[in-house]
Amino acid sequence: QKEVEQDPGPLSVPEGAIVSLNCTYSNSAFQYFMWYRQYSRKGPELLMYTYSSGNKEDGRFTAQVDKSSKYISLFIRDSQPSDSATYLCAMKIQGAQKLVFGQGTRLTINP
Amino acid sequence: DTEVTQTPKHLVMGMTNKKSLKCEQHMGHRAMYWYKQKAKKPPELMFVYSYEKLSINESVPSRFSPECPNSSLLNLHLHALQPEDSALYLCASSQEASQASNYNEQFFGPGTRLTVL
Repeated sequence: QKEVEQDPGPLSVPEGAIVSLNCTYSNSAFQYFMWYRQYSRKGPELLMYTYSSGNKEDGRFTAQVDKSSKYISLFIRDSQPSDSATYLCAMKIQGAQKLVFGQGTRLTINP
Repeated sequence: DTEVTQTPKHLVMGMTNKKSLKCEQHMGHRAMYWYKQKAKKPPELMFVYSYEKLSINESVPSRFSPECPNSSLLNLHLHALQPEDSALYLCASSQEASQASNYNEQFFGPGTRLTVL
């Protein structure tokens, strides 16, 4: 079993839809939870990070962490074609140097 | 300047060649990372440098040799690579490699796309 599981998709939705991306994990020591966006042929860029459980909102993006279920989500509201990219979840133990990535979900927003 | 730069953007090399990838950041970060990313896969950590010292080597074959000449520069020397080493090589940096109380965002460069013939 992988430490972090993420459905690779692909996921295709119409413009304006609400998108839900999810990851599950097995290591209860993870405390930092990140979502990266990676456009084709580019490096990943950090969208949001959350420490421990709870919700965090930034514009059209909301990140949720449920540590009891070992489940994290990223919601994108009013999705735009420019949101088309691969979304990677990543997690880290406090004090550790290593990020553990999910497989990445390829998302396409259709105009 | 919040950018990590990588050169070259693309590199094609034969199995007997020796080449180097370069990475630079001017954010004052003291930790730098090399990742390898195959198509449709997540980045895989290769090496971490913290304060210019190698702190993590994820059992990477010796044909990959990292070097950190100073706190702003990170090199990856390549020798006798195999075709399966073809991938996107990403460099990243963060303020520190680990810190007890704060999360340190890793800033990624655009990567070098390497093809080994």
